[in-house]
Amino acid sequence: TQLLEQSPQFLSIQEGENLTVYCNSSSVFSSLQWYRQEPGEGPVLLVTVVTGGEVKKLKRLTFQFGDARKDSSLHITAAQPGDTGLYLCAGARDNQGGKLIFGQGTELSVKP
Amino acid sequence: DAGVTQSPTHLIKTRGQQVTLRCSPKSGHDTVSWYQQALGQGPQFIFQYYEEEERQRGNFPDRFSGHQFPNYSSELNVNALLLGDSALYLCASSLAGVAYGYTFGSGTRLTVV
Repeated sequence: TQLLEQSPQFLSIQEGENLTVYCNSSSVFSSLQWYRQEPGEGPVLLVTVVTGGEVKKLKRLTFQFGDARKDSSLHITAAQPGDTGLYLCAGARDNQGGKLIFGQGTELSVKP
Repeated sequence: DAGVTQSPTHLIKTRGQQVTLRCSPKSGHDTVSWYQQALGQGPQFIFQYYEEEERQRGNFPDRFSGHQFPNYSSELNVNALLLGDSALYLCASSLAGVAYGYTFGSGTRLTVV
C-alpha cells in the first residue's frame, strides 16, 4: 500500500516552463518533507512543512502543505536544466524524529 | 563537518550470501535510520536505531538486522540474500527528539546475482 502518491511519475519539459508535482495521501502527517535526489546520491532535503496551509518558497520553488495536512505540492517556476532529478515527498507521523514514509518519486527532466 | 558516510559504495553478492553495510552518522547526530530504495521507487523504511537499540521497524523480514555502536555508527546486515534485495541502501542520521534535519548518505548499491 502506497501511503503517499506522487504525480506525475515522469515529467519532461523545456527550459523556462513551469511545473507542479503533487503528493497526496488519505492519512494525516505531522510534517512533510521534499527531497531532491540525483543518480548515485542520497536524497537532499529541500524543505519541511509542518503547518496546514503553510507555503514556503526556495528561490524558484514553492512548496505548499494542504490545510488538512494530507497533501502537498511543489511548484517550480521557469525550470532550468539544473533542476533535473528525482523529487521525493516524505511524510512523518510524529514529531519525534521517527520514520519517514516516502512517495515513489517524480523523475523530472528539463531540456535546454 | 562530515556528513553521513556509508561504505562500501558498491557491492556484488551471490544469492544466499550475507552482507554487512556500514554507516557513520553526521557529527552531532545520535539516531540512525536505514532505508531500501529499489530502482525507480522511493526509499522504504527498514529500521531505526537509537541508544544502541532498534526503536522502530518497517515491514522487512528478520533477514534484515542491524546494530548501533557506542559511537553512534551503525551496521545493516542482510542474511540469505535474494535477488530482490538488489537495491540502493540509504542511511539517514538525525538527532533524537528532533523531527526534522535528516541527513542522508550517498548509499550502498547492492547487486545480488
